[in-house]
Amino acid sequence: QKEVEQDPGPLSVPEGAIVSLNCTYSNSAFQYFMWYRQYSRKGPELLMYTYSSGNKEDGRFTAQVDKSSKYISLFIRDSQPSDSATYLCAMSLNTGGFKTIFGAGTRLFVKA
Amino acid sequence: AAGVIQSPRHLIKEKRETATLKCYPIPRHDTVYWYQQGPGQDPQFLISFYEKMQSDKGSIPDRFSAQQFSDYHSELNMSSLELGDSALYFCASSLLGKYSGNTIYFGEGSWLTVV
Repeated sequence: QKEVEQDPGPLSVPEGAIVSLNCTYSNSAFQYFMWYRQYSRKGPELLMYTYSSGNKEDGRFTAQVDKSSKYISLFIRDSQPSDSATYLCAMSLNTGGFKTIFGAGTRLFVKA
Repeated sequence: AAGVIQSPRHLIKEKRETATLKCYPIPRHDTVYWYQQGPGQDPQFLISFYEKMQSDKGSIPDRFSAQQFSDYHSELNMSSLELGDSALYFCASSLLGKYSGNTIYFGEGSWLTVV
């Protein structure tokens, strides 16, 4: 079993829909949780970063972390065709941990 | 803002040849990471350096080596290349610390094709 599980999709939604992307993990020591967006043949771009449990909102994006359930989510409101990309969740240990573990990435298609 | 710079962006090598990838981290970042991403795969951690010392090692083959230099740039050396080494190689950097967490920023990647 991988440390971080993420449904690879693909997920196809109409423009304007609310998108929900999720990851589960097994290591309760993870403290930092990130979401990256990756366009084809490009480097992953950091979208959201959350420490420990809770919610964080940035524009149309909301990240949620539920450490008790070992479950993290990324919500995209009013999705746009430009949001079409692969979304990778990632997590790492405390500041002493150098290794960031990635999920497999979910491919999202937003249809105009 | 300055980002992580990688070179070359594209590289074609034959089997058994050697390749070297370079990475220039974001200024003042003290940690460099190397990741390998095969087609349709998630990034796999290879190795990291903190303040020019190797800090962690992942699934890096023995044929690969890396180092971080005094100016904080890093190089990934790959020898005896195999077809399976064809992938997108990402360098990333971060500033470790109590308030910065472990948020890493990626470069655009170097495409290696082994033929």
